[in-house]
Amino acid sequence: ILNVEQSPQSLHVQEGDSTNFTCSFPSSNFYALHWYRWETAKSPEALFVMTLNGDEKKKGRISATLNTKEGYSYLYIKGSQPEDSATYLCAFGGTSYDKVIFGPGTSLSVIP
Amino acid sequence: EPEVTQTPSHQVTQMGQEVILRCVPISNHLYFYWYRQILGQKVEFLVSFYNNEISEKSEIFDDQFSVERPDGSNFTLKIRSTKLEDSAMYFCASSGGQSLFILHFGNGTRLTVT
Repeated sequence: ILNVEQSPQSLHVQEGDSTNFTCSFPSSNFYALHWYRWETAKSPEALFVMTLNGDEKKKGRISATLNTKEGYSYLYIKGSQPEDSATYLCAFGGTSYDKVIFGPGTSLSVIP
Repeated sequence: EPEVTQTPSHQVTQMGQEVILRCVPISNHLYFYWYRQILGQKVEFLVSFYNNEISEKSEIFDDQFSVERPDGSNFTLKIRSTKLEDSAMYFCASSGGQSLFILHFGNGTRLTVT
Protein backbone atom coordinates (compact mmCIF):
# COMPACT_ATOMS: atom_id res chain seq x y z
CA ILE A 1 0.00 0.00 0.00
CA LEU A 2 1.49 3.34 -1.03
CA ASN A 3 1.80 5.68 1.93
CA VAL A 4 2.30 9.40 1.59
CA GLU A 5 2.82 11.21 4.87
CA GLN A 6 2.88 14.87 5.74
CA SER A 7 4.01 16.70 8.83
CA PRO A 8 3.01 18.55 10.80
CA GLN A 9 -0.71 17.87 10.66
CA SER A 10 -1.44 21.52 11.46
CA LEU A 11 0.50 24.69 11.98
CA HIS A 12 -0.33 28.13 13.37
CA VAL A 13 2.09 30.93 12.59
CA GLN A 14 2.13 34.70 12.97
CA GLU A 15 1.89 36.91 9.91
CA GLY A 16 5.39 37.51 8.59
CA ASP A 17 6.86 34.25 9.91
CA SER A 18 8.46 31.84 7.49
CA THR A 19 7.42 28.23 7.72
CA ASN A 20 8.03 24.86 6.14
CA PHE A 21 6.46 21.45 6.09
CA THR A 22 7.39 17.99 4.92
CA CYS A 23 6.03 15.34 2.62
CA SER A 24 7.50 11.84 2.66
CA PHE A 25 6.78 9.22 0.05
CA PRO A 26 8.07 5.87 -1.25
CA SER A 27 11.50 6.28 -2.83
CA SER A 28 10.96 3.47 -5.35
CA ASN A 29 9.04 3.76 -8.63
CA PHE A 30 9.00 7.53 -8.42
CA TYR A 31 7.40 9.48 -11.23
CA ALA A 32 6.28 12.87 -9.93
CA LEU A 33 5.60 14.73 -6.69
CA HIS A 34 2.82 17.29 -6.63
CA TRP A 35 1.98 20.07 -4.17
CA TYR A 36 -1.56 21.45 -4.04
CA ARG A 37 -3.11 24.24 -2.03
CA TRP A 38 -6.66 23.69 -0.83
CA GLU A 39 -8.69 26.55 0.55
CA THR A 40 -11.92 25.91 2.38
CA ALA A 41 -14.94 25.62 0.06
CA LYS A 42 -12.73 25.52 -3.03
CA SER A 43 -11.08 22.73 -5.01
CA PRO A 44 -7.38 21.82 -4.69
CA GLU A 45 -5.18 24.01 -6.85
CA ALA A 46 -1.80 22.89 -8.17
CA LEU A 47 1.29 24.71 -6.87
CA PHE A 48 4.13 22.58 -8.20
CA VAL A 49 4.84 19.31 -9.92
CA MET A 50 8.39 18.05 -9.62
CA THR A 51 9.90 15.08 -11.40
CA LEU A 52 13.69 15.23 -10.97
CA ASN A 53 15.77 14.56 -7.88
CA GLY A 54 17.11 17.87 -6.62
CA ASP A 55 14.35 19.88 -8.32
CA GLU A 56 13.57 23.22 -6.72
CA LYS A 57 10.52 25.20 -7.73
CA LYS A 58 9.43 28.68 -6.71
CA LYS A 59 6.20 30.62 -7.04
CA GLY A 60 6.28 34.01 -5.35
CA ARG A 61 6.90 33.43 -1.64
CA ILE A 62 6.38 29.67 -1.89
CA SER A 63 9.09 27.22 -2.87
CA ALA A 64 9.56 23.47 -2.82
CA THR A 65 12.45 21.02 -2.96
CA LEU A 66 12.56 17.38 -3.88
CA ASN A 67 14.75 14.46 -2.79
CA THR A 68 13.63 11.31 -4.58
CA LYS A 69 16.48 9.13 -3.25
CA GLU A 70 15.37 9.53 0.35
CA GLY A 71 11.71 10.13 -0.44
CA TYR A 72 10.91 13.60 0.85
CA SER A 73 9.89 17.04 -0.31
CA TYR A 74 9.80 20.32 1.62
CA LEU A 75 7.43 23.20 1.01
CA TYR A 76 8.58 26.62 2.26
CA ILE A 77 6.53 29.76 2.70
CA LYS A 78 8.49 32.94 3.27
CA GLY A 79 6.81 35.80 5.15
CA SER A 80 3.45 34.08 5.67
CA GLN A 81 0.33 36.14 5.01
CA PRO A 82 -3.26 35.47 6.20
CA GLU A 83 -4.22 34.57 2.63
CA ASP A 84 -1.75 31.67 2.79
CA SER A 85 -4.07 29.96 5.28
CA ALA A 86 -5.11 26.71 3.60
CA THR A 87 -4.46 22.99 3.62
CA TYR A 88 -1.34 22.03 1.66
CA LEU A 89 -1.51 18.62 0.07
CA CYS A 90 1.33 16.68 -1.42
CA ALA A 91 0.65 13.87 -3.86
CA PHE A 92 2.88 11.11 -5.14
CA GLY A 93 2.74 9.73 -8.65
CA GLY A 94 4.57 6.43 -8.93
CA THR A 95 5.45 4.66 -12.18
CA SER A 96 3.11 6.79 -14.28
CA TYR A 97 0.60 9.55 -13.94
CA ASP A 98 -2.28 7.10 -13.83
CA LYS A 99 -2.50 7.02 -10.05
CA VAL A 100 -1.69 10.01 -7.91
CA ILE A 101 -1.90 9.35 -4.17
CA PHE A 102 -2.45 12.23 -1.77
CA GLY A 103 -1.02 12.73 1.69
CA PRO A 104 -3.28 13.80 4.57
CA GLY A 105 -2.33 17.45 4.26
CA THR A 106 -0.87 20.14 6.50
CA SER A 107 -3.38 22.73 7.65
CA LEU A 108 -1.77 26.17 7.90
CA SER A 109 -3.34 29.08 9.78
CA VAL A 110 -1.64 32.45 9.56
CA ILE A 111 -2.65 34.76 12.39
CA PRO A 112 -2.71 38.48 11.50
CA GLU B 1 -9.22 29.65 -18.32
CA PRO B 2 -10.81 26.22 -18.96
CA GLU B 3 -12.02 24.44 -15.87
CA VAL B 4 -13.44 21.14 -14.69
CA THR B 5 -17.12 21.36 -13.83
CA GLN B 6 -19.08 19.00 -11.62
CA THR B 7 -22.80 18.59 -11.12
CA PRO B 8 -24.69 18.56 -8.89
CA SER B 9 -22.89 20.47 -6.17
CA HIS B 10 -24.87 18.61 -3.51
CA GLN B 11 -26.74 15.33 -3.80
CA VAL B 12 -28.85 13.79 -1.07
CA THR B 13 -29.93 10.20 -1.53
CA GLN B 14 -31.36 7.35 0.48
CA MET B 15 -29.31 4.29 1.34
CA GLY B 16 -29.58 1.67 -1.40
CA GLN B 17 -30.33 4.14 -4.16
CA GLU B 18 -28.16 4.60 -7.23
CA VAL B 19 -26.45 7.94 -7.81
CA ILE B 20 -24.60 9.34 -10.79
CA LEU B 21 -22.11 12.13 -10.28
CA ARG B 22 -21.23 14.09 -13.39
CA CYS B 23 -18.07 15.82 -14.47
CA VAL B 24 -17.03 17.71 -17.58
CA PRO B 25 -13.22 17.61 -17.76
CA ILE B 26 -11.10 20.14 -19.61
CA SER B 27 -11.61 19.46 -23.30
CA ASN B 28 -8.07 18.59 -24.44
CA HIS B 29 -7.24 16.48 -21.39
CA LEU B 30 -6.74 12.75 -21.72
CA TYR B 31 -6.58 11.49 -18.12
CA PHE B 32 -9.56 11.58 -15.80
CA TYR B 33 -9.81 10.84 -12.11
CA TRP B 34 -12.25 10.54 -9.26
CA TYR B 35 -11.21 11.24 -5.69
CA ARG B 36 -13.25 11.49 -2.54
CA GLN B 37 -12.85 13.06 0.86
CA ILE B 38 -14.84 11.79 3.81
CA LEU B 39 -15.36 14.61 6.30
CA GLY B 40 -12.26 15.10 8.41
CA GLN B 41 -10.20 12.55 6.50
CA LYS B 42 -7.68 12.77 3.70
CA VAL B 43 -8.35 12.91 -0.02
CA GLU B 44 -8.56 9.32 -1.32
CA PHE B 45 -7.90 8.09 -4.84
CA LEU B 46 -10.77 6.12 -6.37
CA VAL B 47 -10.04 5.60 -10.06
CA SER B 48 -8.22 6.89 -13.11
CA PHE B 49 -9.46 6.60 -16.69
CA TYR B 50 -7.56 6.84 -19.95
CA ASN B 51 -8.33 5.86 -23.52
CA ASN B 52 -11.89 4.87 -22.61
CA GLU B 53 -10.93 2.42 -19.94
CA ILE B 54 -9.99 2.28 -16.28
CA SER B 55 -6.21 2.47 -15.91
CA GLU B 56 -5.96 2.30 -12.12
CA LYS B 57 -8.40 1.83 -9.26
CA SER B 58 -8.15 1.62 -5.50
CA GLU B 59 -9.56 -0.93 -3.05
CA ILE B 60 -12.39 1.52 -2.36
CA PHE B 61 -13.54 1.26 -5.99
CA ASP B 62 -15.42 -2.02 -5.67
CA ASP B 63 -18.24 -3.52 -7.76
CA GLN B 64 -20.65 -0.85 -6.52
CA PHE B 65 -18.71 1.82 -8.40
CA SER B 66 -18.40 2.35 -12.12
CA VAL B 67 -17.17 5.11 -14.41
CA GLU B 68 -18.10 6.00 -17.91
CA ARG B 69 -17.35 8.56 -20.57
CA PRO B 70 -20.55 8.18 -22.55
CA ASP B 71 -20.28 11.00 -25.08
CA GLY B 72 -16.66 12.17 -25.21
CA SER B 73 -17.24 15.13 -22.91
CA ASN B 74 -18.93 13.93 -19.72
CA PHE B 75 -17.15 11.66 -17.24
CA THR B 76 -19.49 10.03 -14.74
CA LEU B 77 -19.16 8.13 -11.50
CA LYS B 78 -22.01 5.79 -10.66
CA ILE B 79 -22.59 4.26 -7.27
CA ARG B 80 -25.05 1.42 -7.71
CA SER B 81 -26.42 0.96 -4.20
CA THR B 82 -25.28 3.71 -1.88
CA LYS B 83 -24.25 3.06 1.72
CA LEU B 84 -24.07 5.51 4.59
CA GLU B 85 -20.28 5.38 4.44
CA ASP B 86 -20.34 6.63 0.84
CA SER B 87 -21.20 10.09 2.20
CA ALA B 88 -18.28 12.27 1.18
CA MET B 89 -17.11 15.05 -1.09
CA TYR B 90 -16.37 13.59 -4.53
CA PHE B 91 -13.86 15.40 -6.71
CA CYS B 92 -13.32 14.89 -10.38
CA ALA B 93 -9.97 15.86 -11.90
CA SER B 94 -8.39 15.79 -15.32
CA SER B 95 -4.86 16.15 -16.65
CA GLY B 96 -3.19 16.42 -20.02
CA GLY B 97 -2.46 19.06 -22.60
CA GLN B 98 0.61 21.18 -22.00
CA SER B 99 0.60 20.68 -18.24
CA LEU B 100 0.56 16.90 -18.46
CA PHE B 101 1.12 16.04 -14.81
CA ILE B 102 -0.99 18.68 -13.10
CA LEU B 103 -4.41 17.61 -11.85
CA HIS B 104 -7.15 20.16 -12.43
CA PHE B 105 -9.97 19.63 -9.97
CA GLY B 106 -13.65 20.43 -10.12
CA ASN B 107 -15.40 22.03 -7.16
CA GLY B 108 -16.72 18.70 -5.97
CA THR B 109 -20.09 17.08 -5.34
CA ARG B 110 -21.11 16.64 -1.73
CA LEU B 111 -22.92 13.31 -1.49
CA THR B 112 -25.08 12.74 1.58
CA VAL B 113 -26.53 9.27 2.05
CA THR B 114 -29.34 9.07 4.61
